[in-house]
Amino acid sequence: QSVLTQPPSASGTPGQRVTISCFGSSSNIGSNTVDWYQQLPGTAPKLLIYSNNQRPSGVPDRFSGSKSGTSASLAISGLQSEDEADYYCAAWDDRLSLYVFGTGTKVTVL
Amino acid sequence: EVQLVQSGAEVKKPGESLRISCKGSGYSFTNYWITWVRQMPGKGLEWMGRIDPSDSYTNYSPSLQGHVTISADKSISTVYLQLSSLKASDTAMYYCARQAVATSFDFWGQGTLVTVSS
Repeated sequence: QSVLTQPPSASGTPGQRVTISCFGSSSNIGSNTVDWYQQLPGTAPKLLIYSNNQRPSGVPDRFSGSKSGTSASLAISGLQSEDEADYYCAAWDDRLSLYVFGTGTKVTVL
Repeated sequence: EVQLVQSGAEVKKPGESLRISCKGSGYSFTNYWITWVRQMPGKGLEWMGRIDPSDSYTNYSPSLQGHVTISADKSISTVYLQLSSLKASDTAMYYCARQAVATSFDFWGQGTLVTVSS
């Protein structure tokens, strides 16, 4: 059971901007930092954003993250075909004492 | 180059036990926690637990406590995930990952597919 809720799907044409939301609560997003992972088909997840809005080395600046209260969002600008993947938000949950992942959003490039 | 290399695919019968491994290289192994994440077929990611390889301190997901054991052998830079009394619902891809800043996981293993079937 995931306590972080994401839309199941999102889509856009090449070059467009796509935003994915992640809704949590005071025990997870409200009190801890948010990470985002990208999972290309058949591969291991990859860290995309950490600590709400930080990009690891090598991640294009087309990807950006933000957090406000108990929700977070990931924006992909200048959408490219290689961005077709599943995207997961994640955060530590103080009440459950575990790291929780979002329900996942499948991004399709039309 | 940081690498986490996991052991190969496993096929087990219900009730059996399983141990899979994750070997780290290219960094100071005892400086980073290792976590295990499970992904059932067609489903999302599930955090299972983590270990500090320097002293083998562990945290587990409450829902998996008692079913899962995570251990480490720092002399060979390897972390293990043990599952007992396997059920068909344990069929999944299992990933190890290195915990970096805060709770984020910056490097991942390639995954180990576990199939439990009679």
